[in-house]
Amino acid sequence: EDQVTQSPEALRLQEGESSSLNCSYTVSGLRGLFWYRQDPGKGPEFLFTLYSAGEEKEKERLKATLTKKESFLHITAPKPEDSATYLCAVQPNMGSNFGNEKLTFGTGTRLTIIP
Amino acid sequence: GAGVSQSPSNKVTEKGKDVELRCDPISGHTALYWYRQSLGQGLEFLIYFQGNSAPDKSGLPSDRFSAERTGGSVSTLTIQRTQQEDSAVYLCASSFVTHEFYGYTFGSGTRLTVV
Repeated sequence: EDQVTQSPEALRLQEGESSSLNCSYTVSGLRGLFWYRQDPGKGPEFLFTLYSAGEEKEKERLKATLTKKESFLHITAPKPEDSATYLCAVQPNMGSNFGNEKLTFGTGTRLTIIP
Repeated sequence: GAGVSQSPSNKVTEKGKDVELRCDPISGHTALYWYRQSLGQGLEFLIYFQGNSAPDKSGLPSDRFSAERTGGSVSTLTIQRTQQEDSAVYLCASSFVTHEFYGYTFGSGTRLTVV
């Protein structure tokens, strides 16, 4: 059974204080690992897809990296508007097109950036 | 429309009543998904549609839950004889089905409260 564990559950940072969020996963063949951002009362918003170990992707102050067992979301010099819950999810490799199988999500890391 | 639209945004119902939740996906998105998010839990997969067909219904918790999709567009999730444990946010998402993955686009969800 696919599993995703995110840590820490919650993280409070001062504005400008860089840190990393962790996503550990077990999956029967990884098709893709996904990061989403979720604001209160909203649906998750897609950030990144990572496909293979060693891959990195960046967007503004966020950088996602992937190993064979975990992914990190690095946040550099965060601002208050980066406050949100960050979700990690995995899709198994079932041999068909993307979007054909369900994602297994972690419970998220609730990030608070203090001005 | 520009995004995934879900209605109603909030629903309070009495235990034992039936409810219908509606999802309007992004035009042209062939894949549609229903997930459930309970307090402190990760997103839980319910059902996936490709066109009007549901290849994967494995996440539906019981036979009180059913879903349909018509015209390759609008989907309705029906919960019969609601129970208090059905209280959650029900999220709908849609995506293209392709060899690359551009991420699900989620709606803002329907918050269901069973009293």
